[in-house]
Formats: sequence, C-alpha cells, structure tokens
Amino acid sequence: QVRLVQSGAEVKKPGASVKVYCRTSGFTFTSYGISWVRQAPAQGLELVGWISGYNGNTNYAQKFQGRVTMTTDTSTSTAYMELRSLKSDDTAVYYCARDGYYIGSGKSMDVWGQGTTVTVSS
Amino acid sequence: EIVLTQSPGTLSLSPGIRATLSCRASQSVGNNYLAWYQQKPGQAPRLLIYGASNRATGIPDRFSGSGSGTDFSLTISRLEPEDFAVYYCQQYGSSPITFGQGTRLEIK
Repeated sequence: QVRLVQSGAEVKKPGASVKVYCRTSGFTFTSYGISWVRQAPAQGLELVGWISGYNGNTNYAQKFQGRVTMTTDTSTSTAYMELRSLKSDDTAVYYCARDGYYIGSGKSMDVWGQGTTVTVSS
Repeated sequence: EIVLTQSPGTLSLSPGIRATLSCRASQSVGNNYLAWYQQKPGQAPRLLIYGASNRATGIPDRFSGSGSGTDFSLTISRLEPEDFAVYYCQQYGSSPITFGQGTRLEIK
C-alpha cells in the first residue's frame, strides 16, 4: 500500500523557518519524485516545488526560489521541505505528493500525503 | 506560465444528473498532460484523470475526461452524493506546473 505520511502541524513566528517531512512507504522511493503543493485557507492549489527521489534534482517555483530547500533521505524514503523567512501569507496546508522522478516524465501527482498545517503568526 | 481557467466557478446540480466541468488553457498543453483532481473538505486532493482522458486507479467509470490542446473537460455521467466536492485541473506538460482555480460542485 502506497503511503505518504507528513509531519504534524506547526506554528511559527514571522521570520522563522519550518521544516516539514514526508515519509513514504509501499513503493521504490528512488523511482519517483516528490512534489510539494500548498493551499492557503479557502484558496486553491499552488506548486511549491519538486525533488527527484532518484538523484535529488530540484525544481522550485519561482515565487519560492531562495526561500525553500527540498531534500531527501533515501535510506528512510523521506522527503523534506524547509521554508525560511516565513510571512503571514505562508499560512497554509502543505501537501507532498508522489510525482515523476524527472521533469517532463509525464507523470501526474497520483498519491498525496494528508497535509501539514503551517500557521505563521506573531 | 500556462494559466488554466476553470468554468463555471460553482455548479449546482442534483444527484443523478450529468455534470460537465471545463478547463481552458492559455496555451496548448504539451502532450495533453492535463489532470483532474477532486478535493473534499479537510482532505487532500485525489487524482481522478491523467493524460486528459485516463482514469486513475480505482476511479469509477462515471468519471471521464476529454479534450486536447487548450480545451479540456471532466464529465460525471450520473452524480452520486459523494461526488459533491471541489475539482481542480492541472497541467504538467510544461514548467511550471499550474492548477486551475477550481470548480465547486454543490448539491442543488
């Protein structure tokens, strides 16, 4: 059974950093990538970026470049997303989703984690 | 960046009725890499359709996708009570991946 299990809710102050994990099981981690998508309250879906489980290559949405770092630990089949210099409008649910292992693979996001709520408030 | 525009914003229909949701792209979607997701309150999105017309694993056959180039649609042949949710289209044919703003399907 394919599963993506995310870390728990976080409350952070403006200017702080948050690191969310996505622990996977039920598939070969290095044959896929992991995308991170966020959803602000009552809003739509927004791509944060993607990381390959195969070689660690990343592709960040322009809006987050310089502020986000995605990494993987293949020994535990876990992906991480760190977002720095948090602002109030970073308040959102952050999802990880299984994706293709290279850009242009033609694979969609077929399995999603349960989401991690990140609240940024002073 | 490809902008996806979904219509209508809200669709109010009764169970048993056919529903058609639209997704229009600002430029052609490469290889028709267009997906549809369903999201219910408090839940993660669920993949319904990929490659414009392919049902994902476990998705009932009342869901179908069609279209190519810039115009795509999702059809639900006979609405079941559990189908009332928000639906998003997504293009993954070119970087950056983008999502439509969503269509809310509500019970009339």
